[in-house]
Amino acid sequence: QVQLQESGPGLVKPSETLSLTCTVSGGSISSNYWSWIRQPPGKGLEWIGYIYYSGRTSYNPSLKSRVTISVDRSRNQLSLKLSSVTAADTAVYYCAKGPWNQGGWFDPWGQGSLVTVSS
Amino acid sequence: DIQMTQSPSSVSASVGDRVTITCRASQGISSYLAWYQQKPGKAPKLLIYAASSLQSGVPSRFSGSGSGTDFSLTISSLQPEDSASYYCQQGNSFPLTFGQGTRLEIK
Repeated sequence: QVQLQESGPGLVKPSETLSLTCTVSGGSISSNYWSWIRQPPGKGLEWIGYIYYSGRTSYNPSLKSRVTISVDRSRNQLSLKLSSVTAADTAVYYCAKGPWNQGGWFDPWGQGSLVTVSS
Repeated sequence: DIQMTQSPSSVSASVGDRVTITCRASQGISSYLAWYQQKPGKAPKLLIYAASSLQSGVPSRFSGSGSGTDFSLTISSLQPEDSASYYCQQGNSFPLTFGQGTRLEIK
């Protein structure tokens, strides 16, 4: 079955760019949508955006000016870049398969990667 | 954006109890509603999709219902391993949004 694994720096300085990679195993990244979702410590879930394997993207307007999601089909990976970070961007970042065409849900999810924004 | 409001925010119940969590959308979302379970330090796990379809491998004590703006997740006979936070999520329109979560505690 498909498994996802996030990786990247756990600490980012304010005003810098957060960069994470999600590696998909057990299946192809092709013909599917893939999303990034985040969760600040002790808080709820926020959808960041998705990418289709072809490269088409959709972002949450609340983050759109700072977010870039890309895909590398040769490596079966998707990436997240979030620029000009502040402490409010401290969160666990998840990659997930979806939104599924039939109804917009996400499954499966990666285990998550905690990113702390601090000098 | 579509706002998703869950109630209650937290609930405490005993093993064997029937527990219901509700989720209300700020506008109609047809049946584009999913439910997730999240345990501390873990990623959310899909329980229910399309409002009432049980994800493969999820125990049958979990069920979902509703359409339009009002939805519910019911656990028919609470088990100790059901202690977790539960989130609803709408898939009807972008940006996709989640409820604020319901924390379920076992007495």
